Amino acid sequence: SQQGEEDPQALSIQEGENATMNCSYKTSINNLQWYRQNSGRGLVHLILIRSNEREKHSGRLRVTLDTSKKSSSLLITASRAADTASYFCATGSYSNYQLIWGAGTKLIIKP
Amino acid sequence: DVKVTQSSRYLVKRTGEKVFLECVQDMDHENMFWYRQDPGLGLRLIYFSYDVKMKEKGDIPEGYSVSREKKERFSLILESASTNQTSMYLCASSLGNYNEQFFGPGTRLTVL
Repeated sequence: SQQGEEDPQALSIQEGENATMNCSYKTSINNLQWYRQNSGRGLVHLILIRSNEREKHSGRLRVTLDTSKKSSSLLITASRAADTASYFCATGSYSNYQLIWGAGTKLIIKP
Repeated sequence: DVKVTQSSRYLVKRTGEKVFLECVQDMDHENMFWYRQDPGLGLRLIYFSYDVKMKEKGDIPEGYSVSREKKERFSLILESASTNQTSMYLCASSLGNYNEQFFGPGTRLTVL
């Protein structure tokens, strides 16, 4: 079942600009994760933020989590052509072995 | 470096054939997962396994079965392939529940 919903579905920006993607979810979570998928390949884990954390950084990535609004955002700063990919959020809850996935945001970085 | 491998990158089968997709992980993870991915639908969980010989249905198990005889290997079986099973199939593994999942490169299956 789909829990996460990414917004926007697609985003096209110029190289060097910042890209922001949002994820909303419906139930209580233990953590929220972001993954990247390059064209037609497997997914790669980017970052995990726990429910008791509000912000996390990893290189050019910044993730925020607002559990009161059941939402998260992923910010990619100083975008590069190699950031062109689909980005998915996934939530983990205490009651599930599995992650619940959103449908993804397709990000295109124009040179 | 952690690794999840899938037996084929591309596969073409005919309607009614039995299809085996294999996944192997070298990280000693307890949990393994099979997803299918279709445009606009994101990842949908077919089956997962939290231990050897243990399996649980995901969201879309119909038409599929799985086998986990060894910890490192998780197989997805299409008993009688149909055209609506044409899709990208992704295998993943994780250590513990709701943790980071490591994915294989995917198998793009076409059923004619």
